Amino acid sequence: IAGITQAPTSQILAAGRRMTLRCTQDMRHNAMYWYRQDLGLGLRLIHYSNTAGTTGKGEVPDGYSVSRANTDDFPLTLASAVPSETSVYFCASSDFRLAGGFSDTQYFGPGTRLTVL
Amino acid sequence: EDKVVQSPLSLVVHEGDTVTLNCSYEVTNFRSLLWYKQEKKAPTFLFMLTSSGIEKKSGRLSSILDKKELFSILNITATQTGDSAVYLCAIPTDSWGKLQFGAGTQVVVTP
Repeated sequence: IAGITQAPTSQILAAGRRMTLRCTQDMRHNAMYWYRQDLGLGLRLIHYSNTAGTTGKGEVPDGYSVSRANTDDFPLTLASAVPSETSVYFCASSDFRLAGGFSDTQYFGPGTRLTVL
Repeated sequence: EDKVVQSPLSLVVHEGDTVTLNCSYEVTNFRSLLWYKQEKKAPTFLFMLTSSGIEKKSGRLSSILDKKELFSILNITATQTGDSAVYLCAIPTDSWGKLQFGAGTQVVVTP
């Protein structure tokens, strides 16, 4: 693995179903992020995690949950999918550290295209 | 409220032309400004700027920051069709590393 991987690449999902989008990074970055990208609205932050065991809400967290059990993995779960969650989802990571000596640069995975019908 | 505004929203140029993209921002505590290029997939990192007046350059792309007037520009010289993409500007908005992105500028380079 090099960088960030996401799975699946794309998915069509019936409304009301539960879905987990997977994200794995091999760069040993402390911080990870989930964004959704919609036409005309740009990239919007859903949830983030600055270190394993901690998570926080972004701009559009409703309907989504995340967990960070270890440094490498940051899955995003849609508990009961709705059509408005149709979007392209990007996972990102950065070598951000609260103690300083960090970089703001985020590196993105290839994305998951999700369609909720 | 923190804000990132990019202009123009889109433009079409011919190969060989020079393109200048603008990113204006408002943020409580400025730390850095980042530029990304997005083709039909994930955004890829171009530059991170932290100091005014210092140009960052990579091949035909360059960028500069003006912290007094609160903007950055991204220049692409001698454009090629491979430069066609959406260019995104972003700023960190808090001490937790979260980025706020602008809506992007779509650049189309025609042969």
